[in-house]
Amino acid sequence: TQLLEQSPQFLSIQEGENLTVYCNSSSVFSSLQWYRQEPGEGPVLLVTVVTGGEVKKLKRLTFQFGDARKDSSLHITAAQPGDTGLYLCAGEYGNKLVFGAGTILRVKS
Amino acid sequence: KAGVTQTPRYLIKTRGQQVTLSCSPISGHRSVSWYQQTPGQGLQFLFEYFSETQRNKGNFPGRFSGRQFSNSRSEMNVSTLELGDSALYLCASSLPPAGQGAHGYTFGSGTRLTVV
Repeated sequence: TQLLEQSPQFLSIQEGENLTVYCNSSSVFSSLQWYRQEPGEGPVLLVTVVTGGEVKKLKRLTFQFGDARKDSSLHITAAQPGDTGLYLCAGEYGNKLVFGAGTILRVKS
Repeated sequence: KAGVTQTPRYLIKTRGQQVTLSCSPISGHRSVSWYQQTPGQGLQFLFEYFSETQRNKGNFPGRFSGRQFSNSRSEMNVSTLELGDSALYLCASSLPPAGQGAHGYTFGSGTRLTVV
C-alpha cells in the first residue's frame, strides 16, 4: 500500500481540456510537493504546498493542499501537448521523501 | 548554479557484476538521497546521506550501499547485480537534511542501469 495514493494512474486528453490529479493519504504531512518528470530525466519540482487549505497557481496549473494536510490536487486548465509527462506528488515522511505512484498525462493535439 | 550531476547516464552490466554510480549535488547542499525508479514500483527510497553520515535507509538488500565524501559528492554501489536491478537510479540534493523542511529537492537526470 502506497503512503500517497495518486489518481488517476493514466490520463489521455485532447488539447484544450481541463484535468485534475489527486494525491491522497491517511497521514498528515507538513508539506506536499508536486513534480513533473519527462522520459529519461529526473523529476522537476513544480511547487511545494505547506499550509492547510493553501492554493498556489503556476500559470495554467493550480495546486491545492487539503485543510487537514492529508491530500492535495493539481488542476490543469486548457492542457497543451507540452504538459505531457509523469506527475508525481511527494511528501516528507520519517526523514525521507516518499512518492505517489504517479499520473501519466498525455495531451493530444 | 550547476544542477545535480549524475554519472554515468547509461550503463549496461552483466548479472553478478558490481556497479558504482556517482552523484554531485548542488553546491552548498549537504543532503543527498538516492532513489530507484522502475515502471512497476515507481520511485523507491534507497538511502540518504547528510554530512558523510547515512541518516536513513530504505527497504533494499545489503547489496545496495552508498557513501558520501567531505565535498558532499555521493556514490552508490550495487554488488552481485541481478536482472531486477535494472532501473533508473536518481539522486536528489537538498540544503537541510531530508525530512527537516527541505521543501523541495533537486534531482539529477539519473543513471539508466540495464543488467543483462
